[in-house]
This record gives sequence, structure tokens and C-alpha cells, in this order.
Amino acid sequence: DTAVSQTPKYLVTQMGNDKSIKCEQNLGHDTMYWYKQDSKKFLKIMFSYNNKELIINETVPNRFSPKSPDKAHLNLHINSLELGDSAVYFCASSQDRSGSSYEQYFGPGTRLTVT
Amino acid sequence: AQKITQTQPGMFVQEKEAVTLDCTYDTSDPSYGLFWYKQPSSGEMIFLIYQGSYDQQNATEGRYSLNFQKARKSANLVISASQLGDSAMYFCAMREWGGSNYKLTFGKGTLLTVNP
Repeated sequence: DTAVSQTPKYLVTQMGNDKSIKCEQNLGHDTMYWYKQDSKKFLKIMFSYNNKELIINETVPNRFSPKSPDKAHLNLHINSLELGDSAVYFCASSQDRSGSSYEQYFGPGTRLTVT
Repeated sequence: AQKITQTQPGMFVQEKEAVTLDCTYDTSDPSYGLFWYKQPSSGEMIFLIYQGSYDQQNATEGRYSLNFQKARKSANLVISASQLGDSAMYFCAMREWGGSNYKLTFGKGTLLTVNP
């Protein structure tokens, strides 16, 4: 069973389009995240949700809108895509309760290419 | 200022030898956690090892150990008996527990190549 899954794995689209990436975790974790990995492999947090509540929004353009319908899902919608949005987007989850191991489990990533 | 510094963009090691990947960090929070992740060429992020700031002993997980020197703010990853499958990008990351901070801050990574 895949712990954190993302769809699609690859996404090629044109500038100006709107697209969504879906993420689901079956680990029962409370917290989910979106990270962006640029072409130089640098990973940076974008958003974090804890129990469906947004807790981190890291200076991301408001063209990016996360949505968490429930604890197990965190989707990322991107409006008016730009060339600079091309990157690999990772979803992750963690259990943030006392006694847990705190590591974040990552999905396989979605490679977004904007042409 | 960077919170996580990995000074080695690339490292080479012979198969079966040990290798140390450097990581220094910067925080004023007394409570924090340090993580190492591996990213092979296939792209997935694989958790390797965790060290808490209050842990008295260095963390170990199989062939991975973390050389934690708190006063120097370093958390180097040691891989013993390198295997060809260890060739990958390695990221050091930190999470500061103060203020309900949920994010991981990553270093820029070290690309490890294991030679046969």
C-alpha cells in the first residue's frame, strides 16, 4: 500500500492554464505539506495543513491554492500557470503528536512542466 | 542566513568504504530535530535518520549514523560500507519545535557517487 500518493506523476501544460495536483495519505497523519523542488534540487515548503487547517503559507503567489477536504487529502490548485512554476511538487505528511517519530513521509512527486 | 548548510555539492566514495556527509545548522530554538533524507535518481524522498536536540546519544539506523555535535551545530551523516545503491542526493533538514513550527528547512543537498 502506498503511504502518500500523488496524481498525476507528470503534468505538461501550457502557460496560462489552470491545473490541480492531488495528494492522499493513508497513514492517519494529522499534518500534510506541499513542497516545491526547483531545477537545482532545492526543496522549499509551500503550505502546511494540520487537521484541515492551514498553518503555513510561505510567501507563495496566490495563484497557488491548497485545499484540504479532509485529514487524508491535500490538493494543490494552480491558476494561470507560468514558466517559473515548472518544478517537482512533493506532498508529505507527518504525525505530530508526542511520542511520534516526527519524520515527514513524502509522496513520489509530480513533475510539472509549463511550456 | 541559511539555516542548513551542506558544503559538499558532490562527494565520491569507493564501494565498501565509509563516507561522511557534512551538515551544519543555525537555530536559536533549544528544541529542534535534525533529519537526513535520500533522493535517488528516481526522485522519491526517503527518510533515513532523525536526531532530536535533547537526545543524549547519536542516532543510528543500520549503516547510517548521525554524528551530532551540538556545540558545533553540526549533524553529519556517516554511511558505513557504501553500496552502489547509495548513490543519490542526500539532504539534511531541520525542524524547530518552538511556535508550533511544522516545516522542514532543507539544505541544498550533497550528490554522493559510489564507485565500484
